[in-house]
Amino acid sequence: QVQLVQSEAELQKPGASVKISCRTSGYSFTKFWMHWVRQAPGQGLEWMGIMNPSGGTAIYAQRFQGRVTMTRDTSTNMGYMELRSLRSDDTAIYYCAREDMASSGLPLDFWGQGTLVTVSS
Amino acid sequence: DIQMTQSPSSLSASVGDRVTITCRASQGIGNFLAWYQQKPGKVPKLLIYSASTLHSGVPSRFSGSGSGTVFTLTISSLQPEDVATYYCQKYNSAPQTFGHGTKVEIK
Repeated sequence: QVQLVQSEAELQKPGASVKISCRTSGYSFTKFWMHWVRQAPGQGLEWMGIMNPSGGTAIYAQRFQGRVTMTRDTSTNMGYMELRSLRSDDTAIYYCAREDMASSGLPLDFWGQGTLVTVSS
Repeated sequence: DIQMTQSPSSLSASVGDRVTITCRASQGIGNFLAWYQQKPGKVPKLLIYSASTLHSGVPSRFSGSGSGTVFTLTISSLQPEDVATYYCQKYNSAPQTFGHGTKVEIK
């Protein structure tokens, strides 16, 4: 069955970086885009960016440009999201999710369980 | 960037009521519109895609309509298990912006 399993919660200091992993199984990793979405406490969903696991290219939301990098390892079917220069308002649950690349594909039909990142001194 | 505006931001309705949530895009997005349900403390779940296609396993009391710039999510008969926040999302191109959400409660 399709699974996206994320790394454990993180506590980071302001100015530090965090790298979250998303281990996938049960589907062809390179045929589904990987998205990253975050949700601050009590707030809505915020789209961060999308990565093509086949070629490794990524598109980031403008507000994260220069601070975020999305990568993948096709040998282990894992995706990664690194966010740098952390601030307190980066405290959020971060989700990975997949999107079918097919022309009639589904949007985010499977999500990881979420990774809580807390930024505090 | 295209903005997605949902209304209302919250609503309270009785069990059995018909509930409608609207999502407006600041520019046309065709039918590249999805709806997600997020129950408290849970991961978002895909309900509807391509504006009106029900995702597998979603109860038939949920329906979606619209194209271009105005979209609606309708729950034909609200059930207690439908208490959640509902989000629309455009996915025609990046950025794949979400609406701010509509919190649905039982009166």
